[in-house]
Amino acid sequence: AQKVTQAQTEISVVEKEDVTLDCVYETRDTTYYLFWYKQPPSGELVFLIRRNSFDEQNEISGRYSWNFQKSTSSFNFTITASQVVDSAVYFCALSEINTGNQFYFGTGTSLTVIP
Amino acid sequence: DSGVTQTPKHLITATGQRVTLRCSPRSGDLSVYWYQQSLDQGLQFLIQYYNGEERAKGNILERFSAQQFPDLHSELNLSSLELGDSALYFCASSGGQAYGYTFGSGTRLTVV
Repeated sequence: AQKVTQAQTEISVVEKEDVTLDCVYETRDTTYYLFWYKQPPSGELVFLIRRNSFDEQNEISGRYSWNFQKSTSSFNFTITASQVVDSAVYFCALSEINTGNQFYFGTGTSLTVIP
Repeated sequence: DSGVTQTPKHLITATGQRVTLRCSPRSGDLSVYWYQQSLDQGLQFLIQYYNGEERAKGNILERFSAQQFPDLHSELNLSSLELGDSALYFCASSGGQAYGYTFGSGTRLTVV
């Protein structure tokens, strides 16, 4: 079974629009970490955020914000006032403390911001 | 620079050949993880080493093997290569879950 589901395969928005990327995860562990990574066309994986299972506070970093809700097993990512440079594939990932910290990645959401 | 170094960045080789991908972890990190990113399989965990010992195995083919050396660098060996092995191979290192996880920039392998 897929531990991390990113149901949105591709999203296109016009520059300056807000966009939310969805991530739903599945785990039986009480201690785990959730991550978001950005993969631009150049291919590298750029770390965006890490959140542990005990911290449900939402986080804002500039135009980026994250909404973590354990009740719905979701960790959604919102980009406010999107820019062309935000065009990339975004991956959500889960790391469980009981499975050696390996990452379970979602299938990614390809975001295209149209100027 | 993330601190995790992967070489080479690009590799083109023929079917049936064998290649070695190298990863130098971030200073002080004992764990090294290998991931494969292919078009049809997405990002998949292959194998983890911790301080020289294999710690966890994922979807790694029998044709693939890895090791971590005393200086903590790791090598991923891919043999009897097939067209379907063409992918981006990432290495990541970690000093423990509380310390996060750092990815290298990847090795793009093309099998022709």
